Amino acid sequence: GIQVEQSPPDLILQEGANSTLRCNFSDSVNNLQWFHQNPWGQLINLFYIPSGTKQNGRLSATTVATERYSLLYISSSQTTDSGVYFCAVEKPGGSYIPTFGRGTSLIVHP
Amino acid sequence: GAGVSQSPRYKVAKRGQDVALRCDPISGHVSLFWYQQALGQGPEFLTYFQNEAQLDKSGLPSDRFFAERPEGSVSTLKIQRTQQEDSAVYLCASSLTTRGREYTGELFFGEGSRLTVL
Repeated sequence: GIQVEQSPPDLILQEGANSTLRCNFSDSVNNLQWFHQNPWGQLINLFYIPSGTKQNGRLSATTVATERYSLLYISSSQTTDSGVYFCAVEKPGGSYIPTFGRGTSLIVHP
Repeated sequence: GAGVSQSPRYKVAKRGQDVALRCDPISGHVSLFWYQQALGQGPEFLTYFQNEAQLDKSGLPSDRFFAERPEGSVSTLKIQRTQQEDSAVYLCASSLTTRGREYTGELFFGEGSRLTVL
């Protein structure tokens, strides 16, 4: 199956700092999503981004499908950004099961 | 409903008990997935439904796990004779589109059911 690697595994920031989270995948994909898992465990959709760049407020994401990676940018981080960030990918033409990475755990201190 | 709804949110079971976890997907969503998430890990696939058909159950860890979606809407994940290693959060997700060679789509998750087996 497709392999998904996220880095860094852990990240600690001071409020107001910027950060970049990375998701590498081992094969071509036709779907990539970024999620934020809040402290209560719910996975919140951030971006549906199989390719290209999207922005939503302080967050933006870029997927370069040909090079098999995606980046999630968080600017001017806030304490409410704390939690675990996951990417999930789907491979076309084979298994269509969304496969998750192990996540990046982010702590933002006030 | 507005989102994916799961119940119960929390379940404590004694080892050997049977449990049933319910998922009510977003109305009209064709695809439904169950995932298991252990502490500190990413969600791991369990099973996939397209409408009422269970198209993939390759992720179910043992024959004690059983899932159904008889009318193509609500789904139930049943775990028989629970063991301590079954303790995890069970996540349900739905998606508007089918899955396959050409189709994909955005996943929406419920809040999960946290199972603790004593």
